[in-house]
Amino acid sequence: DSGVTQTPKHLITATGQRVTLRCSPRSGDLSVYWYQQSLDQGLQFLIHYYNGEERAKGNILERFSAQQFPDLHSELNLSSLELGDSALYFCASSPRTDEQFFGPGTRLTVL
Amino acid sequence: QQQVKQSPQSLIVQKGGISIINCAYENTAFDYFPWYQQFPGKGPALLIAIRPDVSEKKEGRFTISFNKSAKQFSLHIMDSQPGDSATYFCAASGAYDYKLSFGAGTTVTVRA
Repeated sequence: DSGVTQTPKHLITATGQRVTLRCSPRSGDLSVYWYQQSLDQGLQFLIHYYNGEERAKGNILERFSAQQFPDLHSELNLSSLELGDSALYFCASSPRTDEQFFGPGTRLTVL
Repeated sequence: QQQVKQSPQSLIVQKGGISIINCAYENTAFDYFPWYQQFPGKGPALLIAIRPDVSEKKEGRFTISFNKSAKQFSLHIMDSQPGDSATYFCAASGAYDYKLSFGAGTTVTVRA
């Protein structure tokens, strides 16, 4: 158990809908990263927050957004969902700039 | 464009054998190279990591070999056990860009 928690574990929704994925980092970790894992794209970095501020963006779609709250938990919002958004979404937290500890993931299925 | 190339895609090894997974990168700004182990339905778990100032790092049965001039690094799993059957990912990140770039993954199957 990495100490990173993610909810929900599974999410099934329809195309065009909006969902919110939640991540609680390990105690004391200020950095939260979001990654998407799919069969065709592998593990891809989406976005990085440090202590509430956005630090870096990867190939994140404009339909996706994220934020980190004062209590350091983070939410990833996915809107106007498409079939291709079906994937595993992981968050990772970091106590420093390099080691990243991954949560159990949220499996999103868009029907 | 994948910044870290990983091979093989899959491998089968007998119990007690050695599993070797190779990765190559192009970005010379990378300075941190972790390996992750992932079981089905679980998140990637940090296994071992290395920085370019050392050529080898060993933790238990897991060893990373690093060749800076060739821009290659590899994971050796010694005395492979059935419990090591999982997907292994190499990754890399830079000093000022902490996002991880992952390889495509290698599925390791250890036969008893």
